[in-house]
Amino acid sequence: GAVVSQHPSWVICKSGTSVKIECRSLDFQATTMFWYRQFPKQSLMLMATSNEGSKATYEQGVEKDKFLINHASLTLSTLTVTSAHPEDSSFYICSARRTGGTEAFFGQGTRLTVV
Amino acid sequence: AQSVTQLDSHVSVSEGTPVLLRCNYSSSYSPSLFWYVQHPNKGLQLLLKYTSAATLVKGINGFEAEFKKSETSFHLTKPSAHMSDAAEYFCVVRTAYGGATNKLIFGTGTLLAVQP
Repeated sequence: GAVVSQHPSWVICKSGTSVKIECRSLDFQATTMFWYRQFPKQSLMLMATSNEGSKATYEQGVEKDKFLINHASLTLSTLTVTSAHPEDSSFYICSARRTGGTEAFFGQGTRLTVV
Repeated sequence: AQSVTQLDSHVSVSEGTPVLLRCNYSSSYSPSLFWYVQHPNKGLQLLLKYTSAATLVKGINGFEAEFKKSETSFHLTKPSAHMSDAAEYFCVVRTAYGGATNKLIFGTGTLLAVQP
């Protein structure tokens, strides 16, 4: 099956610093990747759709300057949380869709804690 | 616009008894529907999907779901619960914008507890 790997699995950072989360499709090429945010005991909320070689499409209410997305290759998308604050603490999950496919495969998630 | 409603936030069953997790959908188009499972602090695993083929869809780990257009439902069932089934379950609909812009819309989730 298709494997999507996120790194790191968890990270603690100081308020005001930036954190980068990587999402890699290990055994397939993904033209499109998605970034989600999940608060405790809540559902996944789509933050943005990342397309290789072009700008990401952000959902309404998501600050693009706060959550920088880069999808420079067909196997890697990164999410950078800039100037993180405690309210950014959350579980971030990415998914990747195989080029030409319809199913999305999910990473294991990244637990971000901002102190 | 597409949406899904999971009718129960928590479901508790005894091991060996049937599981029923309810989901209703709203869609202007013939929807693509999915059930995902999430174990604590883990990513999501696809259990099964409906994409306008057979209305009774069989998935992994003994789960199945039936697409009922007349009831706009896609309930998830399993004949006999196992302790390892305890997890959060999400009903998901895929938007029908077409091509690369398709998105997944998640329900609010149902937490399944399995009692010994």
